[in-house]
Amino acid sequence: DADVTQTPRNRITKTGKRIMLECSQTKGHDRMYWYRQDPGLGLRLIYYSFDVKDINKGEISDGYSVSRQAQAKFSLSLESAIPNQTALYFCATSDGTSRILTENEQFFGPGTRLTVL
Amino acid sequence: LAKTTQPISMDSYEGQEVNITCSHNNIATNDYITWYQQFPSQGPRFIIQGYKTKVTNEVASLFIPADRKSSTLSLPRVSLSDTAVYYCLVGDLNTNAGKSTFGDGTTLTVKP
Repeated sequence: DADVTQTPRNRITKTGKRIMLECSQTKGHDRMYWYRQDPGLGLRLIYYSFDVKDINKGEISDGYSVSRQAQAKFSLSLESAIPNQTALYFCATSDGTSRILTENEQFFGPGTRLTVL
Repeated sequence: LAKTTQPISMDSYEGQEVNITCSHNNIATNDYITWYQQFPSQGPRFIIQGYKTKVTNEVASLFIPADRKSSTLSLPRVSLSDTAVYYCLVGDLNTNAGKSTFGDGTTLTVKP
């Protein structure tokens, strides 16, 4: 079984709809991350969580919210989806003790392809 | 913010050594340099990480000069399966305000 899973894998929705993307991990890591990737571009950080009670905005958090329900679960919500949120979304986890993003290897999920019409 | 700059694309042939250089002129003291590989429609996968000098593992080497303003990922004897996008990641959440600075990556194409 995969260590980091994301559901759904693909989603097509309409403008204005509320969407939730879910991420679960069995690696026992405290840190979890949400990224978005647009075609031909690198990953941009949306939100990150050092533990259940420590959640922080990333580079492009506007229009998104998150919930860390447990150590193993980190959900990303689009309250009112818009077409420019069409992208590939990745969840990642890592271990670590400092607040340095690149301190430890990040383990990525398979991604969720979201299309907003 | 340690912005990273990499070549957009590179071509190579099977069996050759490939070197991909990443520039990060504004790297901060606490920043590590990490390289990831990404295949189409998959999440990135960790390759190697370093802070200074040279690091080697079973798949690659990472060369970092003393000033740390650049780094070079070296892939020995590439195969067709090494065709992928390679990202150089430099970042410290404290100094970068949550910016991951993944950059746009280098698309490596290995030809037979």
